[in-house]
Amino acid sequence: GQNIDQPTEMTATEGAIVQINCTYQTSGFNGLFWYQQHAGEAPTFLSYNVLDGLEEKGRFSSFLSRSKGYSYLLLKELQMKDSASYLCAVGSVGANNLFFGTGTRLTVIP
Amino acid sequence: GAVVSQHPSRVICKSGTSVKIECRSLDFQATTMFWYRQFPKQSLMLMATSNEGSKATYEQGVEKDKFLINHASLTLSTLTVTSAHPEDSSFYICSARGHQSNQPQHFGDGTRLSIL
Repeated sequence: GQNIDQPTEMTATEGAIVQINCTYQTSGFNGLFWYQQHAGEAPTFLSYNVLDGLEEKGRFSSFLSRSKGYSYLLLKELQMKDSASYLCAVGSVGANNLFFGTGTRLTVIP
Repeated sequence: GAVVSQHPSRVICKSGTSVKIECRSLDFQATTMFWYRQFPKQSLMLMATSNEGSKATYEQGVEKDKFLINHASLTLSTLTVTSAHPEDSSFYICSARGHQSNQPQHFGDGTRLSIL
């Protein structure tokens, strides 16, 4: 089966850097996705990692280590609008759907 | 980027009513569509997966006669909540993806369903 763990809540200060971790266990790993979800809205796609290493996209970066079953999402120069839930989702070979973690609720404070 | 449109965004209706929610991929062919349900402050719960032209695959515990899914074309899937009751009140979200499983799912804006 699949198991995905991420912290439930985090708080960080505007302008700072925050790292949201995700650990996973799955058979036939087929990529890891990060999504952002603001309260009352649907998730929006942020990043995709399938090979080890860092993928950078503006203020957001995502890292993957397949051997450790570990990923993180790094948010730089935090803005108030970054307050949202961040969902880690894992694909598995042979499975049509993604397996979502419970999400990390990030609160950015002034 | 990929755009998925979900309609309606909000529904308020009486108990016993059937409600249809549409999910459309506007700029790509959605071989596979997914229907999720989300309660406040909880994660997405996958209800069913549908592939164009075939019957939906429902997750354990989801009643297929209660939640009817149709995926008749590569751009449209519908979810019908039949004879809705207050306990069906929730946020329903669809997502769509191309034919490769390592492609990202793109989500619609969700439908907030409130049954009185």
